Amino acid sequence: AQRVTQPEKLLSVFKGAPVELKCNYSYSGSPELFWYVQYSRQRLQLLLRHISRESIKGFTADLNKGETSFHLKKPFAQEEDSAMYYCASTSGGGADGLTFGKGTHLIIQP
Amino acid sequence: ETGVTQSPTHLIKTRGQQVTLRCSSQSGHNTVSWYQQALGQGPQFIFQYYREEENGRGNFPPRFSGLQFPNYSSELNVNALELDDSALYLCASSTGQEAPYNEQFFGPGTRLTVL
Repeated sequence: AQRVTQPEKLLSVFKGAPVELKCNYSYSGSPELFWYVQYSRQRLQLLLRHISRESIKGFTADLNKGETSFHLKKPFAQEEDSAMYYCASTSGGGADGLTFGKGTHLIIQP
Repeated sequence: ETGVTQSPTHLIKTRGQQVTLRCSSQSGHNTVSWYQQALGQGPQFIFQYYREEENGRGNFPPRFSGLQFPNYSSELNVNALELDDSALYLCASSTGQEAPYNEQFFGPGTRLTVL
């Protein structure tokens, strides 16, 4: 079974500081990985996915198969980045859906 | 283009009762997935429907069942409610049979409380 671990329940950083949200996955195959975000009073939405290799809102995430990690990074945090962030994986196909971590609440202090 | 909608917003039931939650997908999205999110947890996959047939299921008992209709609406039915069923239920619509690879568009959720 897949498992996604986000070790930090809460992460607080100052505006302009670098941000790194940790995500580790366990799956013997080659999962696809995603970061979803939920801003205050908004619904859960896709931030970025590994297969697209894109940077969204200044965030990037690199897949490290050796460490089975998919950490989310941003060099300079902004106050509007404050939100709940969920790492998710899927093995592919419709059989497993998305497996989510428990989420990290990111707070950007002014 | 309208987003994913869910009804009702909140619901209170008692143990042993049955409940039906509804979701309206984005127009053109032929796949709907349902997730259960307990307090302080990430969403947990219940099942997925593609073109009105279940094509994927998570670790949930058969008392969790669903339906998907041709008009992009869907239902989640839960029989014999238990206290642990109290959670936020999310539906997500997307396109394609291998939907998890594609962007999932989530609804606002239905908060179910079982007393």
